[in-house]
Amino acid sequence: DVKVTQSSRYLVKRTGEKVFLECVQDMDHENMFWYRQDPGLGLRLIYFSYDVKMKEKGDIPEGYSVSREKKERFSLILESASTNQTSMYLCASSLLGRQDEQYFGPGTRLTVT
Amino acid sequence: DAKTTQPPSMDCAEGRAANLPCNHSTISGNEYVYWYRQIHSQGPQYIIHGLKNNETNEMASLIITEDRKSSTLILPHATLRDTAVYYCIVRVGDTPLVFGKGTRLSVIA
Repeated sequence: DVKVTQSSRYLVKRTGEKVFLECVQDMDHENMFWYRQDPGLGLRLIYFSYDVKMKEKGDIPEGYSVSREKKERFSLILESASTNQTSMYLCASSLLGRQDEQYFGPGTRLTVT
Repeated sequence: DAKTTQPPSMDCAEGRAANLPCNHSTISGNEYVYWYRQIHSQGPQYIIHGLKNNETNEMASLIITEDRKSSTLILPHATLRDTAVYYCIVRVGDTPLVFGKGTRLSVIA
C-alpha cells in the first residue's frame, strides 16, 4: 500500500514564525503536491513537484515556498506565518503521468495565532 | 475554477444505491471525468474515472451521458462508511487535479 505521511496532525504556531510542514511518501512517486483545505472553498493547490529540485506553482502559492531535495520528501514552508494561513494542509503523491490517481496523507491542521 | 457543478449535499438510506450527479457542460473532448471522496479527518481517496464509456470497479460505477455534459457516480449499496464529501473533477492529460466543493453524502441508518 502507498503510504503518505505528514510530520504532524496538529500544529499551533505564532504569527511571524517560520513553519515547516513535511511530507514523505514511500512508493517512489515522482509527483508530489501540497493543498490546503478550508470550509466552503474545497481543496486548493499550493505547489507541486514533478521531480527532485523541481517545483511548479499551483493556484495559491503566495506566502508559501517548497523544497524537494529528495524524491520521497516534499516540504511546504511558510516563511512568516499569518493568521489567514490557518488551515488544513494535505500532501499527496502520484506516479509520473498518473496525476489522476493521487494518494493523500492524513493532513496537518495548522493554527496560526 | 472547478469546471463542474455538484449539489452541496445529499442523503441516502443505508443499503440503497447512492446516485451522485455532476454537471460538466463545458467539458472538452480530451478531458476525463474523475471522482474522489474524502471521509472526515482523512485525505481524499480516488474512486473512479472515465472518458466517455461507462466504468465500473469494486467501489462504484460511473455513468457518463452520451453528450458528456454530465455524469453520475453510483454507489450500489451505500453503507455508513460511505458518508463523505464526493468530488467530481474534469481534467486533461497530466494536469493537476482541481477540487471543487463537492457533494456531502450522508448515509442514514
